[in-house]
Amino acid sequence: EAQVTQNPRYLITVTGKKLTVTCSQNMNHEYMSWYRQDPGLGLRQIYYSMNVEVTDKGDVPEGYKVSRKEKRNFPLILESPSPNQTSLYFCATQLRAGPFYEQYFGPGTRLTVT
Amino acid sequence: ILNVEQSPQSLHVQEGDSTNFTCSFPSSNFYALHWYRWETAKSPEALFVMTLNGDEKKKGRISATLNTKEGYSYLYIKGSQPEDSATYLCASSMGNTDKLIFGTGTRLQVFP
Repeated sequence: EAQVTQNPRYLITVTGKKLTVTCSQNMNHEYMSWYRQDPGLGLRQIYYSMNVEVTDKGDVPEGYKVSRKEKRNFPLILESPSPNQTSLYFCATQLRAGPFYEQYFGPGTRLTVT
Repeated sequence: ILNVEQSPQSLHVQEGDSTNFTCSFPSSNFYALHWYRWETAKSPEALFVMTLNGDEKKKGRISATLNTKEGYSYLYIKGSQPEDSATYLCASSMGNTDKLIFGTGTRLQVFP
């Protein structure tokens, strides 16, 4: 079954404690990205990756890091989380870069930073 | 800056009613328009990707039209059912890039 998985699904943490949210896909997609969803706003892209070892900033990259060492995995790293990073996070994949491909979303990670 | 607007913000309809809502986007440098269906506690799922002016797409009781010259797309649901209750997101491309700009969604509730 084609799927995008994220872990953890829920996380409550404290300011400054480093955390990683994992994202994995089994569809051999080249393009992966991370979004955050906040009330009253559309999904905003944090980082994206066009392929292995190729990553770039999205619209709201501050406070986040990513890596793409393998095609299937695209972890999101918060080195020093702050309360303004409390949000719902989605990993998404598409076959390859370009606006014509539908995106496949993971189940979401709800993060609370106190 | 590309701005994608969706209206209405929320909508309540009775089972069996047909309904529609709008996605507006800047028409200059348009490449693609996406519609996604997002049920509560689940992840968004793609409905349609549309690229050509006048494009019409259909999936069961859901259909969409696209007007790239005036910068809008309509999503129609015929004979709404409670299982259609979800937030419907649209997203437009920013030039010929992989970046999608999402609207804030239309939240549909269908009452039995």
